[in-house]
Amino acid sequence: GAVVSQHPSRVICKSGTSVKIECRSLDFQATTMFWYRQFPKKSLMLMATSNEGSKATYEQGVEKDKFLINHASLTLSTLTVTSAHPEDSSFYICSARVEYETQYFGPGTRLLVL
Amino acid sequence: AQSVTQLDSQVPVFEEAPVELRCNYSSSVSVYLFWYVQYPNQGLQLLLKYLSGSTLVKGINGFEAEFNKSQTSFHLRKPSVHISDTAEYFCAVSDYGGATNKLIFGTGTLLAVQP
Repeated sequence: GAVVSQHPSRVICKSGTSVKIECRSLDFQATTMFWYRQFPKKSLMLMATSNEGSKATYEQGVEKDKFLINHASLTLSTLTVTSAHPEDSSFYICSARVEYETQYFGPGTRLLVL
Repeated sequence: AQSVTQLDSQVPVFEEAPVELRCNYSSSVSVYLFWYVQYPNQGLQLLLKYLSGSTLVKGINGFEAEFNKSQTSFHLRKPSVHISDTAEYFCAVSDYGGATNKLIFGTGTLLAVQP
């Protein structure tokens, strides 16, 4: 149980284009999902908290117009990187909260912007 | 505010030897504590968690951790490691009863198991 999937696993795009990443909870409903960014050999940085049916809560320093988050259903949250640039290249990981305190993570999406 | 310190960025160890990965936290409130493992180019997998009760917590793959409130530590241990345990290990803390239960991660420890 508590399986979280992400799609795509890897994406390469041209600078200036937008990229959408999906995060799904496969065998449970998640009212809260989280989006993280991980730089090479670094820890995870929380970008935003996504709540079903309401606006996401962004961490300080994260551009909400750049990283659009939508949590339209209890099993799906999406992160759209708008007008992507090379500095947006990173490993993006989502998680879903199960029970009150535990997060289960997706396999991650590697984004490369050329 | 909470924080997590993993002092060892890398721990080399020989196969079948015991290992301890250190984690210290700071918080002004009660906390939940977690250990996650990340294999290359993959997401995080939950190893174990401490919520309350017994301070010795057993997890998957033979790992265990002990919560020590007085020393604000949550060290991860395994009595005999395998090559397949080579991965990045992250300690994380979240505040008990917090509105969003955000996870605060340490910087990670690379466990490098050598034959």
